[in-house]
Amino acid sequence: DAGVIQSPRHEVTEMGQEVTLRCKPISGHDYLFWYRQTMMRGLELLIYFNNNVPIDDSGMPEDRFSAKMPNASFSTLKIQPSEPRDSAVYFCASSLKGQHSPLHFGNGTRLTVT
Amino acid sequence: GENVEQHPSTLSVQEGDSAVIKCTYSDSASNYFPWYKQELGKRPQLIIDIRSNVGEKKDQRIAVTLNKTAKHFSLHITETQPEDSAVYFCAASNGGSQGNLIFGKGTKLSVKP
Repeated sequence: DAGVIQSPRHEVTEMGQEVTLRCKPISGHDYLFWYRQTMMRGLELLIYFNNNVPIDDSGMPEDRFSAKMPNASFSTLKIQPSEPRDSAVYFCASSLKGQHSPLHFGNGTRLTVT
Repeated sequence: GENVEQHPSTLSVQEGDSAVIKCTYSDSASNYFPWYKQELGKRPQLIIDIRSNVGEKKDQRIAVTLNKTAKHFSLHITETQPEDSAVYFCAASNGGSQGNLIFGKGTKLSVKP
């Protein structure tokens, strides 16, 4: 398996623009997670899905953030409109049995909002 | 909710020395404690994990110990090598419906040749 695949690797956009990050989990993993990593706040869970259903989105910063998982092999995280404080590395991860089992992270998307 | 404190934030050791990173957690119901290693510019990767029914687990040069009474757990790396240089994150989870995995802020380990 190729592991968790994220795209794009880097995204530079201007404030106010829409940003869409993409993730393909490992086949057979029922759980998918979106994390944000910054120097100040470390690794923060934004949202996670079980069998394509959002389970906990309490970490989503505000209504500008939304996430979807239309099928078992694809998820998106959208920010609209983007702001400079959204600049961070966004990781997608998947696991077999939720947060009580090993997480397999993608390579991340480094987002810069100017 | 769970809170995980990790110390130190930076650690520098000479090659061949041991390194110890400590974490404390607040939720006594937490029962799963993984450690992730993140090399510069790369993704976090699981290096070892422990569940609350054991007190210690070893994998070659890496070991993790858990003290449930004191609510702390530690990562021990022996015979450190330059390739051990990375940021290490501890985490804790109680596995329940509200038991999100909470990460510590990380420890930047530098191993000097």
